Amino acid sequence: GAVVSQHPSRVICKSGTSVKIECRSLDFQATTMFWYRQFPKKSLMLMATSNEGSKATYEQGVEKDKFLINHASLTLSTLTVTSAHPEDSSFYICSARGEGTQFFGPGTRLTVL
Amino acid sequence: DAKTTQPPSMDCAEGRAANLPCNHSTISGNEYVYWYRQIHSQGPQYIIHGLKNNETNEMASLIITEDRKSSTLILPHATLRDTAVYYCIVRVLYNQGGKLIFGQGTELSVKP
Repeated sequence: GAVVSQHPSRVICKSGTSVKIECRSLDFQATTMFWYRQFPKKSLMLMATSNEGSKATYEQGVEKDKFLINHASLTLSTLTVTSAHPEDSSFYICSARGEGTQFFGPGTRLTVL
Repeated sequence: DAKTTQPPSMDCAEGRAANLPCNHSTISGNEYVYWYRQIHSQGPQYIIHGLKNNETNEMASLIITEDRKSSTLILPHATLRDTAVYYCIVRVLYNQGGKLIFGQGTELSVKP
């Protein structure tokens, strides 16, 4: 199946700093990418949908100024967690739609101290 | 997208078939049944999807009832590596838009 990568796989940062997570579709073009967040022992929660070249659509309750999403090309989307706080610590997973279905990245574990 | 109901957990003996049920009584005519699984601390993995006919691939089989109100994912010979949370999701086909909204899933434990 198609491959979606994320970088970094794990990041630890201090409270107040910003963190950028990259999501790439390696062998297909993804016009639509999705960002999810998952807390321990919970299911995935959709945060936003991004289409290449346009603004992301955020789910209700997700702060768009805190979670900046850029989908500048058909193979790359980035999520920036601005002014991160300990409550933003979570597992962030991106997903790309293409080749007949939707594929997920391996996730990024964010820990904010 | 229609909601789904799955048992929170199931056990299965290694080498036996694992049958994971899913109820989706409010499914619409243009909605497909998708199955994904998530092994601990990894991203979800696509397994299979179908509309109304039974489907089979190298990973699993999907049996959808005639009224489409429920389905069963079958792992024919479960291994320890199949231990994961399995999610049943109903949504329109990917190229018709829609989003994958995850419920709580079924935590499958395959035991030796």
